[in-house]
Amino acid sequence: GAVVSQHPSWVICKSGTSVKIECRSLDFQATTMFWYRQFPKQSLMLMATSNEGSKATYEQGVEKDKFLINHASLTLSTLTVTSAHPEDSSFYICSANGGSGRTNTGELFFGEGSRLTVL
Amino acid sequence: DAKTTQPPSMDCAEGRAANLPCNHSTISGNEYVYWYRQIHSQGPQYIIHGLKNNETNEMASLIITEDRKSSTLILPHATLRDTAVYYCIVRPTGNTPLVFGKGTRLSVIA
Repeated sequence: GAVVSQHPSWVICKSGTSVKIECRSLDFQATTMFWYRQFPKQSLMLMATSNEGSKATYEQGVEKDKFLINHASLTLSTLTVTSAHPEDSSFYICSANGGSGRTNTGELFFGEGSRLTVL
Repeated sequence: DAKTTQPPSMDCAEGRAANLPCNHSTISGNEYVYWYRQIHSQGPQYIIHGLKNNETNEMASLIITEDRKSSTLILPHATLRDTAVYYCIVRPTGNTPLVFGKGTRLSVIA
């Protein structure tokens, strides 16, 4: 099946620094990718929809200036957590629709996730 | 908000069938039923999806009631590796996100 890869899988940073997480679709093109975050013992929460070549759409309560999303190509979306603070520590997960040029069976494919720890 | 209701947890003996229920009484005509699972500290894994007919693949079977208001995911022979949180989600096809509820934590016991 389609593969979505995230990098890094885990990162530890100091408070106040910025961290970039990459999400790649490895064998298909994704005009749209979705970013989620998950706090311990909670479900996934949709943060934003990343659209190739245009601005991302953010869910209510998610600060667009803090969580910068760039979708510069059909296979790469990046999430940058700016001026990270300990409360931003979370598991960040991206997903993409494995359609466009493939048999579109409708399922979303997820990356392995990136665990961010802000000290 | 999630449009599905699932029991918070279930246990299943290894080797037995695991039947995970899901209620989606407000499902719309163009919405599919999707099942994903998440093993600890990993991204969600697609299992199966369907519209109104029952579906089966190498991982599981999906039984959807005739009125489409509920469904059951069946893992025919559960193994310890099937221990995970299982999410039932309704969603139209197309480029729309999945909205996750709390899911069911399935524990497969040896």
